Amino acid sequence: GAVVSQHPSRVICKSGTSVKIECRSLDFQATTMFWYRQFPKQSLMLMATSNEGSKATYEQGVEKDKFLINHASLTLSTLTVTSAHPEDSSFYICSARFGWELFFGEGSRLTVL
Amino acid sequence: EDQVTQSPEALRLQEGESSSLNCSYTVSGLRGLFWYRQDPGKGPEFLFTLYSAGEEKEKERLKATLTKKESFLHITAPKPEDSATYLCAAIQYGNKLVFGAGTILRVKS
Repeated sequence: GAVVSQHPSRVICKSGTSVKIECRSLDFQATTMFWYRQFPKQSLMLMATSNEGSKATYEQGVEKDKFLINHASLTLSTLTVTSAHPEDSSFYICSARFGWELFFGEGSRLTVL
Repeated sequence: EDQVTQSPEALRLQEGESSSLNCSYTVSGLRGLFWYRQDPGKGPEFLFTLYSAGEEKEKERLKATLTKKESFLHITAPKPEDSATYLCAAIQYGNKLVFGAGTILRVKS
């Protein structure tokens, strides 16, 4: 299957700082990538759809200015959590479509102190 | 409202004890149904896609089936390494994915 890579896998930052998470499709081009957030023992919650060369589409209730998404190339999307606060601590997962199927990255654990 | 419901929430099996996980859905414009395996602290690992009622797919000890209202993930003679959370998700026209809450499977040796 297709490979989606996320980096970093774990990040700890101080409150008020910004953190960038990268999502790469390693062996295919992805015009669309998706960003999810997952709370402990819960399922994935779609945050936004990232479209190459255009603005991301955010789900209702997700702050666009807090979670900045950039999809600058066909193999890279980034999620920047701006002015992070402890409540932003979570597991963030990206995914990319390959044909009809959806493949996920390994996830990034963000801890905001 | 589009909804995907998985049952049971948690399942404990003895090694070798076969069972099934259920995923029922009420989703408009269904294009397909995915099954994923998720280990703690990891992203979901793709298992199967099912596109039409009656379709079946197999991979090692896992077999996924699909009807018009639900999907089953059958686990035959499970091993401890099959322990994980199994997620199903329905993909709609427009590419929106609706996830179930998952079934936590624990297989004891």
